[in-house]
Amino acid sequence: DVKVTQSSRYLVKRTGEKVFLECVQDMDHENMFWYRQDPGLGLRLIYFSYDVKMKEKGDIPEGYSVSREKKERFSLILESASTNQTSMYLCASYSNSGANVLTFGAGSRLTVL
Amino acid sequence: GNSVTQMEGPVTLSEEAFLTINCTYTATGYPSLFWYVQYPGEGLQLLLKATKADDKGSNKGFEATYRKETTSFHLEKGSVQVSDSAVYFCALTYSGGYNKLIFGAGTRLAVHP
Repeated sequence: DVKVTQSSRYLVKRTGEKVFLECVQDMDHENMFWYRQDPGLGLRLIYFSYDVKMKEKGDIPEGYSVSREKKERFSLILESASTNQTSMYLCASYSNSGANVLTFGAGSRLTVL
Repeated sequence: GNSVTQMEGPVTLSEEAFLTINCTYTATGYPSLFWYVQYPGEGLQLLLKATKADDKGSNKGFEATYRKETTSFHLEKGSVQVSDSAVYFCALTYSGGYNKLIFGAGTRLAVHP
């Protein structure tokens, strides 16, 4: 089975801190995504990447940046965390070939105080 | 613009009851439609999908039919189990790519013995 691993399940940070959320997938998928999930809003796309060092903005990129230096790893960066970034963050990936199924990690719940 | 509207939850049912979760969409062209499920503490998993009008997606006893005339993709199951308790998300993509995936707000289902 494809595994998408988000290393931090729960984080608590203070306003203004720099925050890194890490995501690793083990099946050589070209495409990786970061979403945030909020009650009543569903999932909203922050950024996605379709190749190493390539990235594109999603629907809500403000306040976030990403890094993809290796194919298996996609990092979400909050340069200066704010309370309105308290949320559940979900990473996902899929391959351009094969079953083409979007596979999600278990999520990282971030609280900014 | 393109959007997905789901019935608000929570939906509370007794075991073996019939389940319907309504989903309607607004989209230009001919989107592909999906149902994802999120079990407690886990990421989203693809439950079923349909890629053209009148297609029926099915999996694990769940079904949904792509109705273009009513722009709907309602999720149904004839007899729910306690293990079906989860949050269900309806989604569409209008370009065939996951970078354009639009999610509904999600519907929480609680099944009691």
